[in-house]
Amino acid sequence: GENVEQHPSTLSVQEGDSAVIKCTYSDSASNYFPWYKQELGKGPQLIIDIRSNVGEKKDQRIAVTLNKTAKHFSLHITETQPEDSAVYFCAASHSGTYKYIFGTGTRLKVLA
Amino acid sequence: GAVVSQHPSRVICKSGTSVKIECRSLDFQATTMFWYRQFPKKSLMLMATSNEGSKATYEQGVEKDKFLINHASLTLSTLTVTSAHPEDSSFYICSASADSATNSPLHFGNGTRLTVT
Repeated sequence: GENVEQHPSTLSVQEGDSAVIKCTYSDSASNYFPWYKQELGKGPQLIIDIRSNVGEKKDQRIAVTLNKTAKHFSLHITETQPEDSAVYFCAASHSGTYKYIFGTGTRLKVLA
Repeated sequence: GAVVSQHPSRVICKSGTSVKIECRSLDFQATTMFWYRQFPKKSLMLMATSNEGSKATYEQGVEKDKFLINHASLTLSTLTVTSAHPEDSSFYICSASADSATNSPLHFGNGTRLTVT
């Protein structure tokens, strides 16, 4: 069935360094890929998204890249700050539906 | 814009009682809302799709008589956990999209932490 794998499960970086989280999806019909940040005790917040007709998208310190051929997409956070510490989830949306398949999450810790 | 409000944020109930959770889209209308369940340190599991004016669509393995969903208006969906048991304790999150087109961003509420004693 449809599946999204996410790596790593945990990631610790020093403040100011970059962080990269990678996801792989199985359904070739997926064409929308959002990334969410979830802080403790809160719901996920959309931080960036990308559609299959675009290879890269950037918003200040956050960027997402998509390789449709390999079915990979990645989240890049540059100049990390302690407030970036949270759990990050990738997701893939099946074409024509609202049904998101979520990755298993990455717990990011930015060390001051 | 695109704010989803969920209430209550926390609830503790006794085993055998029912609990209602509300999900509201504050600044947009949502014909479709979604209910998720999240276990500690785990990903989000879609429970059901709530459709305004019609029956909800439940994911495989989710008991529709256990988790009653009502979507009576374009801005409100409710999830009622009936005859709650300790194993129903979890974090429940709703979401909705401000755009009627599919493959649009989903906006999530802040979740409800349910504890059944």
